[in-house]
Amino acid sequence: QAVLTQPSSLSASPGASASLTCTLRSGINVGTYRIYWYQQKPGSPPQYLLRYTSDSDKQQGSGVPSRFSGSKDASANAGILLISGLQSEDEADYYCMIWHSSAWVFGGGTKLTVL
Amino acid sequence: EVQLVQSGAEVKKPGESLKISCKGSGYSFTSYWIGWVRQMPGKGLEWMGIIYPGDSDTRYSPSFQGQVTISADKSISTAYLQWRSLKAADTAMYYCARHSSGWYSDFDYWGQGTLVTVSS
Repeated sequence: QAVLTQPSSLSASPGASASLTCTLRSGINVGTYRIYWYQQKPGSPPQYLLRYTSDSDKQQGSGVPSRFSGSKDASANAGILLISGLQSEDEADYYCMIWHSSAWVFGGGTKLTVL
Repeated sequence: EVQLVQSGAEVKKPGESLKISCKGSGYSFTSYWIGWVRQMPGKGLEWMGIIYPGDSDTRYSPSFQGQVTISADKSISTAYLQWRSLKAADTAMYYCARHSSGWYSDFDYWGQGTLVTVSS
Protein backbone atom coordinates (compact mmCIF):
# COMPACT_ATOMS: atom_id res chain seq x y z
CA GLN A 1 0.00 0.00 0.00
CA ALA A 2 1.36 3.41 -0.94
CA VAL A 3 2.42 5.81 1.82
CA LEU A 4 0.18 8.57 0.39
CA THR A 5 -2.98 7.96 -1.60
CA GLN A 6 -4.77 10.62 -3.62
CA PRO A 7 -7.86 10.16 -5.77
CA SER A 8 -6.77 10.11 -9.38
CA SER A 9 -9.32 12.67 -10.52
CA LEU A 10 -11.87 15.17 -9.31
CA SER A 11 -14.29 17.43 -11.14
CA ALA A 12 -15.93 20.59 -9.87
CA SER A 13 -17.73 23.60 -11.26
CA PRO A 14 -16.39 27.13 -11.55
CA GLY A 15 -17.12 29.10 -8.39
CA ALA A 16 -17.57 25.95 -6.31
CA SER A 17 -15.14 24.50 -3.78
CA ALA A 18 -12.99 21.42 -4.24
CA SER A 19 -11.57 19.30 -1.45
CA LEU A 20 -8.55 17.22 -2.44
CA THR A 21 -7.56 14.49 -0.05
CA CYS A 22 -4.19 12.91 0.70
CA THR A 23 -4.66 9.78 2.81
CA LEU A 24 -1.78 8.41 4.82
CA ARG A 25 -1.21 4.70 4.96
CA SER A 26 -2.63 2.90 7.94
CA GLY A 27 -0.14 3.04 10.78
CA ILE A 28 1.16 6.48 9.80
CA ASN A 29 -0.61 9.09 11.90
CA VAL A 30 -1.42 12.28 9.99
CA GLY A 31 -1.39 14.31 13.20
CA THR A 32 2.32 15.04 13.40
CA TYR A 33 3.17 15.33 9.72
CA ARG A 34 3.84 18.47 7.76
CA ILE A 35 1.87 18.06 4.53
CA TYR A 36 3.04 20.03 1.52
CA TRP A 37 0.90 20.67 -1.53
CA TYR A 38 2.01 21.38 -5.10
CA GLN A 39 0.19 22.33 -8.27
CA GLN A 40 1.41 21.25 -11.69
CA LYS A 41 -0.02 22.44 -14.97
CA PRO A 42 0.68 20.64 -18.25
CA GLY A 43 4.14 21.31 -19.59
CA SER A 44 5.29 23.14 -16.46
CA PRO A 45 7.20 22.20 -13.33
CA PRO A 46 5.32 21.87 -10.06
CA GLN A 47 4.65 24.99 -8.01
CA TYR A 48 4.52 25.09 -4.23
CA LEU A 49 1.12 25.99 -2.80
CA LEU A 50 1.24 25.57 0.95
CA ARG A 51 2.23 23.56 3.97
CA TYR A 52 -0.17 22.44 6.69
CA THR A 53 0.63 20.78 9.98
CA SER A 54 -1.97 22.37 12.23
CA ASP A 55 -3.86 25.65 12.48
CA SER A 56 -0.93 27.03 14.46
CA ASP A 57 1.70 25.68 12.07
CA LYS A 58 0.92 26.41 8.49
CA GLN A 59 2.49 28.35 5.66
CA GLN A 60 1.13 29.79 2.44
CA GLY A 61 3.43 29.79 -0.55
CA SER A 62 4.59 33.11 -1.87
CA GLY A 63 1.89 34.67 -4.02
CA VAL A 64 -0.56 31.81 -3.51
CA PRO A 65 -4.14 33.09 -3.19
CA SER A 66 -5.91 32.62 0.15
CA ARG A 67 -8.61 30.58 -1.56
CA PHE A 68 -6.09 27.72 -1.36
CA SER A 69 -5.99 26.38 2.18
CA GLY A 70 -4.95 23.27 4.04
CA SER A 71 -6.42 21.18 6.80
CA LYS A 72 -6.46 17.66 8.18
CA ASP A 73 -9.15 15.10 8.84
CA ALA A 74 -7.85 13.00 11.69
CA SER A 75 -10.73 10.55 11.46
CA ALA A 76 -9.80 9.82 7.86
CA ASN A 77 -6.06 10.07 8.54
CA ALA A 78 -5.82 12.53 5.66
CA GLY A 79 -4.51 15.90 4.70
CA ILE A 80 -6.84 18.12 2.72
CA LEU A 81 -6.27 20.87 0.18
CA LEU A 82 -9.35 23.06 -0.10
CA ILE A 83 -9.74 25.30 -3.11
CA SER A 84 -12.63 27.73 -2.87
CA GLY A 85 -14.08 29.87 -5.63
CA LEU A 86 -12.76 27.57 -8.33
CA GLN A 87 -11.46 29.19 -11.47
CA SER A 88 -10.65 27.64 -14.82
CA GLU A 89 -6.95 28.31 -14.17
CA ASP A 90 -7.10 25.94 -11.19
CA GLU A 91 -7.39 23.02 -13.56
CA ALA A 92 -4.17 21.12 -12.90
CA ASP A 93 -2.59 18.15 -11.17
CA TYR A 94 -2.16 18.44 -7.41
CA TYR A 95 0.38 16.52 -5.36
CA CYS A 96 0.84 16.13 -1.63
CA MET A 97 4.21 15.42 -0.05
CA ILE A 98 5.52 14.37 3.36
CA TRP A 99 8.83 13.43 4.92
CA HIS A 100 8.60 9.80 5.96
CA SER A 101 11.22 7.20 6.82
CA SER A 102 14.10 9.43 5.79
CA ALA A 103 12.66 10.24 2.40
CA TRP A 104 10.39 12.75 0.74
CA VAL A 105 7.28 10.94 -0.47
CA PHE A 106 4.79 12.26 -3.00
CA GLY A 107 1.23 11.17 -3.41
CA GLY A 108 0.19 9.89 -6.82
CA GLY A 109 -1.54 13.16 -7.67
CA THR A 110 -5.10 14.29 -8.34
CA LYS A 111 -6.15 15.69 -11.69
CA LEU A 112 -8.61 18.48 -11.01
CA THR A 113 -10.99 19.36 -13.82
CA VAL A 114 -12.97 22.58 -13.62
CA LEU A 115 -16.05 22.39 -15.82
CA GLU B 1 15.51 36.74 -8.94
CA VAL B 2 16.02 33.12 -7.95
CA GLN B 3 16.40 30.85 -10.95
CA LEU B 4 17.25 27.22 -11.52
CA VAL B 5 18.17 26.60 -15.14
CA GLN B 6 18.54 23.02 -16.28
CA SER B 7 20.44 21.60 -19.22
CA GLY B 8 18.65 20.68 -22.41
CA ALA B 9 16.84 17.55 -23.51
CA GLU B 10 18.88 14.43 -24.09
CA VAL B 11 18.40 11.39 -26.31
CA LYS B 12 20.56 8.45 -25.35
CA LYS B 13 20.91 4.74 -26.02
CA PRO B 14 20.65 2.06 -23.33
CA GLY B 15 23.99 1.54 -21.62
CA GLU B 16 25.23 5.08 -22.26
CA SER B 17 26.19 7.46 -19.49
CA LEU B 18 24.66 10.87 -18.86
CA LYS B 19 25.11 13.89 -16.60
CA ILE B 20 22.46 16.62 -16.51
CA SER B 21 22.84 19.93 -14.77
CA CYS B 22 20.95 22.53 -12.77
CA LYS B 23 22.48 26.00 -12.44
CA GLY B 24 21.30 28.22 -9.63
CA SER B 25 21.38 32.00 -9.66
CA GLY B 26 19.96 34.92 -7.72
CA TYR B 27 20.72 33.44 -4.31
CA SER B 28 23.54 31.92 -2.26
CA PHE B 29 23.84 28.55 -3.99
CA THR B 30 25.90 27.00 -1.21
CA SER B 31 23.29 27.72 1.47
CA TYR B 32 20.28 25.82 0.15
CA TRP B 33 19.60 22.14 -0.39
CA ILE B 34 18.84 21.14 -3.98
CA GLY B 35 16.70 18.12 -4.77
CA TRP B 36 16.05 16.04 -7.87
CA VAL B 37 12.59 14.76 -8.79
CA ARG B 38 11.67 12.30 -11.53
CA GLN B 39 8.43 12.34 -13.48
CA MET B 40 7.95 9.45 -15.88
CA PRO B 41 5.68 10.05 -18.88
CA GLY B 42 2.11 10.59 -17.73
CA LYS B 43 3.00 9.73 -14.13
CA GLY B 44 3.50 11.41 -10.79
CA LEU B 45 6.46 12.91 -8.97
CA GLU B 46 9.19 10.80 -7.38
CA TRP B 47 11.86 12.16 -5.05
CA MET B 48 15.35 10.97 -5.98
CA GLY B 49 17.63 12.72 -3.53
CA ILE B 50 19.07 15.99 -2.29
CA ILE B 51 22.44 17.67 -1.96
CA TYR B 52 23.75 20.56 0.10
CA PRO B 53 26.20 22.32 -2.21
CA GLY B 54 28.01 23.97 0.69
CA ASP B 55 29.60 20.68 1.76
CA SER B 56 28.18 18.17 -0.77
CA ASP B 57 26.22 16.34 1.94
CA THR B 58 23.97 14.06 -0.12
CA ARG B 59 20.95 11.93 0.71
CA TYR B 60 19.27 9.47 -1.63
CA SER B 61 15.87 7.89 -1.86
CA PRO B 62 16.22 4.15 -1.27
CA SER B 63 14.58 3.70 -4.67
CA PHE B 64 17.41 5.54 -6.42
CA GLN B 65 20.40 4.77 -4.20
CA GLY B 66 23.09 3.19 -6.35
CA GLN B 67 21.21 3.99 -9.57
CA VAL B 68 22.22 7.64 -9.88
CA THR B 69 24.81 10.02 -8.50
CA ILE B 70 24.00 13.50 -7.28
CA SER B 71 26.83 16.02 -7.10
CA ALA B 72 27.47 19.73 -7.11
CA ASP B 73 30.20 22.18 -8.14
CA LYS B 74 29.77 25.19 -5.91
CA SER B 75 32.35 27.18 -7.86
CA ILE B 76 29.88 27.39 -10.75
CA SER B 77 26.65 27.12 -8.71
CA THR B 78 25.63 23.92 -10.46
CA ALA B 79 24.13 20.66 -9.27
CA TYR B 80 24.25 17.46 -11.29
CA LEU B 81 22.40 14.21 -11.73
CA GLN B 82 24.38 11.41 -13.31
CA TRP B 83 23.83 7.91 -14.65
CA ARG B 84 26.60 5.41 -15.50
CA SER B 85 24.45 3.11 -17.59
CA LEU B 86 21.05 4.28 -18.74
CA LYS B 87 18.05 2.03 -19.19
CA ALA B 88 14.87 2.57 -21.17
CA ALA B 89 13.07 2.88 -17.82
CA ASP B 90 15.08 6.05 -17.11
CA THR B 91 13.07 7.86 -19.77
CA ALA B 92 11.46 10.71 -17.87
CA MET B 93 11.41 14.39 -17.12
CA TYR B 94 13.85 15.32 -14.37
CA TYR B 95 13.41 18.41 -12.24
CA CYS B 96 15.76 20.08 -9.83
CA ALA B 97 14.21 22.09 -7.03
CA ARG B 98 15.44 24.18 -4.11
CA HIS B 99 14.46 23.61 -0.51
CA SER B 100 13.36 26.95 0.92
CA SER B 101 14.98 26.65 4.35
CA GLY B 102 16.90 23.55 5.29
CA TRP B 103 16.17 20.12 3.89
CA TYR B 104 12.96 19.77 5.94
CA SER B 105 11.03 22.38 4.02
CA ASP B 106 9.14 22.97 0.83
CA PHE B 107 10.64 23.05 -2.65
CA ASP B 108 10.10 26.71 -3.40
CA TYR B 109 11.84 27.08 -6.76
CA TRP B 110 11.97 24.53 -9.54
CA GLY B 111 13.98 24.18 -12.70
CA GLN B 112 12.19 23.96 -16.02
CA GLY B 113 12.95 20.24 -16.29
CA THR B 114 15.25 18.12 -18.46
CA LEU B 115 13.65 15.48 -20.64
CA VAL B 116 15.76 12.35 -20.91
CA THR B 117 14.82 9.82 -23.58
CA VAL B 118 16.56 6.46 -23.61
CA SER B 119 15.87 4.40 -26.69
CA SER B 120 17.72 2.02 -28.92
